[in-house]
Amino acid sequence: DTAVSQTPKYLVTQMGNDKSIKCEQNLGHDTMYWYKQDSKKFLKIMFSYNNKELIINETVPNRFSPKSPDKAHLNLHINSLELGDSAVYFCASSQDTSGGRETQYFGPGTRLLVL
Amino acid sequence: KNEVEQSPQNLTAQEGEFITINCSYSVGISALHWLQQHPGGGIVSLFMLSSGKKKHGRLIATINIQEKHSSLHITASHPRDSAVYICAVGLIGNYQLIWGAGTKLIIKP
Repeated sequence: DTAVSQTPKYLVTQMGNDKSIKCEQNLGHDTMYWYKQDSKKFLKIMFSYNNKELIINETVPNRFSPKSPDKAHLNLHINSLELGDSAVYFCASSQDTSGGRETQYFGPGTRLLVL
Repeated sequence: KNEVEQSPQNLTAQEGEFITINCSYSVGISALHWLQQHPGGGIVSLFMLSSGKKKHGRLIATINIQEKHSSLHITASHPRDSAVYICAVGLIGNYQLIWGAGTKLIIKP
């Protein structure tokens, strides 16, 4: 069974469209994350939820809106997609936040290409 | 200057060689993580350590808190070890991890 799953794995879309990426974890973890990995391969935290509550909200455009219907799911909705949004988006989860002392488990990534 | 610096950025070695990847940081940390990103993109956590040394198979991770430095060693390297190795640190009193830029390792047969 996949521990952290993301759908879709690949997403090709036109500028201006709205799209969603879904993430689910079956590890029973309390904390979930969204990261963006750009062409330079840096991983940048975007959001983190702990028990459905937003705890990290980095400076990202408000076109990006996370939604956590329950602690096993953290979805990412992107409005009015722009060329610069093209990247790989990773979802991750950890048992708790614990100030960075928790191992994070990553999904396979969603490769988004905006044309 | 990034709070987490890795060296080298790129490393190419022959199969069987002993590999060392370094990570230095400039902040107080609660823990340091080593992760591996496969050529296919998947990211796997290798180690989390806050002191001393950990070993898993051919991989060894060490940390020196006083010197703010960690090393990841691979013994008897193999082409399947080819990947990007990423160092990340958890900050004291903060939820986030601060990520290094990664070291791209290529092991040639």
